[in-house]
Amino acid sequence: QQQVKQSPQSLIVQKGGISIINCAYENTAFDYFPWYQQFPGKGPALLIAIRPDVSEKKEGRFTISFNKSAKQFSLHIMDSQPGDSATYFCAASRDQNSGNTPLVFGKGTRLSVIA
Amino acid sequence: DAGVTQSPTHLIKTRGQHVTLRCSPISGHKSVSWYQQVLGQGPQFIFQYYEKEERGRGNFPDRFSARQFPNYSSELNVNALLLGDSALYLCASSLAWVGGYTFGSGTRLTVV
Repeated sequence: QQQVKQSPQSLIVQKGGISIINCAYENTAFDYFPWYQQFPGKGPALLIAIRPDVSEKKEGRFTISFNKSAKQFSLHIMDSQPGDSATYFCAASRDQNSGNTPLVFGKGTRLSVIA
Repeated sequence: DAGVTQSPTHLIKTRGQHVTLRCSPISGHKSVSWYQQVLGQGPQFIFQYYEKEERGRGNFPDRFSARQFPNYSSELNVNALLLGDSALYLCASSLAWVGGYTFGSGTRLTVV
């Protein structure tokens, strides 16, 4: 049973456009939702993360929107650049005093930003 | 400061063999987790160690084992390798046993 569903599988965006990647989770005990960026041959790197007490978090060109009632969260990349071309993973875990907290990842979205 | 270092970066093994993968966490980090990433998929949790004790185990067979040493480095061992064990094995470290994971670049294991 896949606990975190990610879409789309792949995405092509024009330079300067907005990239949007969506994730849905099932386990209501999750309370930490990070996004990771992975380049070929590298491990995932933490991009931005959110906790369910806020509905939006912005860091530079990257924004997470969180909808607790719908159990959904999304990543928006504003002014997308060719250097943003990578695979993006959403993840979820239970955090802080909640016991075992492995990250559960989505299947990833391969983003290509074209000039 | 050095990040999470993993060795080797690549290796090729034959079915039935045994493999040991190594991970050195970021200095000061006491927790190490192992993940398996099959091509085209997200990483899947294998083990988490904190202060040399196993704190979590994913849905992997007993052929997979791990340990953490007094200096907080860690080894992942896989016995009786199968073709399906071919994957990128990622190590992640964190200060405590919750959140804030930093991943290494992984070990690419190919089983032939």
